[in-house]
Amino acid sequence: AQSVTQLDSHVSVSEGTPVLLRCNYSSSYSPSLFWYVQHPNKGLQLLLKYTSAATLVKGINGFEAEFKKSETSFHLTKPSAHMSDAAEYFCVVSVRTKLVFGTGTRLLVSP
Amino acid sequence: DGGITQSPKYLFRKEGQNVTLSCEQNLNHDAMYWYRQDPGQGLRLIYYSQIVNDFQKGDIAEGYSVSREKKESFPLTVTSAQKNPTAFYLCASSSSPNTGELFFGEGSRLTVL
Repeated sequence: AQSVTQLDSHVSVSEGTPVLLRCNYSSSYSPSLFWYVQHPNKGLQLLLKYTSAATLVKGINGFEAEFKKSETSFHLTKPSAHMSDAAEYFCVVSVRTKLVFGTGTRLLVSP
Repeated sequence: DGGITQSPKYLFRKEGQNVTLSCEQNLNHDAMYWYRQDPGQGLRLIYYSQIVNDFQKGDIAEGYSVSREKKESFPLTVTSAQKNPTAFYLCASSSSPNTGELFFGEGSRLTVL
């Protein structure tokens, strides 16, 4: 069965410091992986996606993620956090037509 | 501007009442979805539709119903049979069910009093 595990429910960083949000996946097939962001009381927005091309994927707002098959990981990173990055982030695995969402990681950014 | 519009944004309902949440898209997308979001949980799929006049149950369809009479519209009815309806409901669409790229509305928050 396909699943994703987001290893941290909350991550706190200071503005200007790096961000790391961790995601491990489980899939019997070659997966497509996504990161979505959700600001409070809003819908989700696609940040980036991996679909078996380059293993390092660049997304919007300076975020990127690296697909590591040997570690079954797809961690999301950003070199320097901004206050506007404070939101909830969801790692998602897609196999065939089914999407499975992780439970989310809330990113807190302090001045 | 193209997008997905959900209404109402906030809704209060008494126990035993049915309520219908609206979802309209002008993206010309074939596929539409309804998800439920509860605190500390990921999104769970309620229903989805890949084409007009056709829809399938998702993982938590009990107590919900949908229709897809027009490509642009995919309303969700939360019936009195839904045991715990208080939640944040998200509608989404995609150009193809195989892409995994969903466009979301801003959600409807339903509270049962």
